[in-house]
Amino acid sequence: AQSVTQLDSQVPVFEEAPVELRCNYSSSVSVYLFWYVQYPNQGLQLLLKYLSGSTLVKGINGFEAEFNKSQTSFHLRKPSVHISDTAEYFCAVTLGGSYIPTFGRGTSLIVHP
Amino acid sequence: NAGVTQTPKFRILKIGQSMTLQCAQDMNHNYMYWYRQDPGMGLKLIYYSVGAGITDKGEVPNGYNVSRSTTEDFPLRLELAAPSQTSVYFCASSLDGSSGNTIYFGEGSWLTVV
Repeated sequence: AQSVTQLDSQVPVFEEAPVELRCNYSSSVSVYLFWYVQYPNQGLQLLLKYLSGSTLVKGINGFEAEFNKSQTSFHLRKPSVHISDTAEYFCAVTLGGSYIPTFGRGTSLIVHP
Repeated sequence: NAGVTQTPKFRILKIGQSMTLQCAQDMNHNYMYWYRQDPGMGLKLIYYSVGAGITDKGEVPNGYNVSRSTTEDFPLRLELAAPSQTSVYFCASSLDGSSGNTIYFGEGSWLTVV
């Protein structure tokens, strides 16, 4: 079974600063990786996903993530955050051949003016 | 585009009461899911369905039941509500069983059991 670790439960940053949200997974087989975002009082929506190919994946709202197989990581980055990026971010992993993802516990990104 | 619609959005139940959370999707998705979200715990899968008439247990099914009589609808029933079922519940759907599929979520149902 796979597991997903989001190393930070909360990440406070100032507006226009860069941010990195960390995600590590434990699996030795092929995986599909996702980042979902949950704005306050809303459901989750897809930010980006890695299926294959280029290890750098670009998503919506200026976010990107890099798949690192040797470090089993899929960290999410944004070079300059906005107040509106304040939300909960979830990393998720699906094993090849499965269709049910395992979600991390979430990282709360708090952007201060 | 309605997507995944859940009702009710908020509900307070007394211990021992029962209720049904409704979920409908209009994307013609075959796969549907129910998750619960507790603070700091991420999402836990309660039940899922791969098509009409087919349901299966997820990670935390105790105290819940589901049915899938149509492709569109996937209600979640809570029998004999307990305080431990106080949570936010999310219904979700995906097109099929492809590992890379995006999962589409409803806006959530906040349930408090007192």
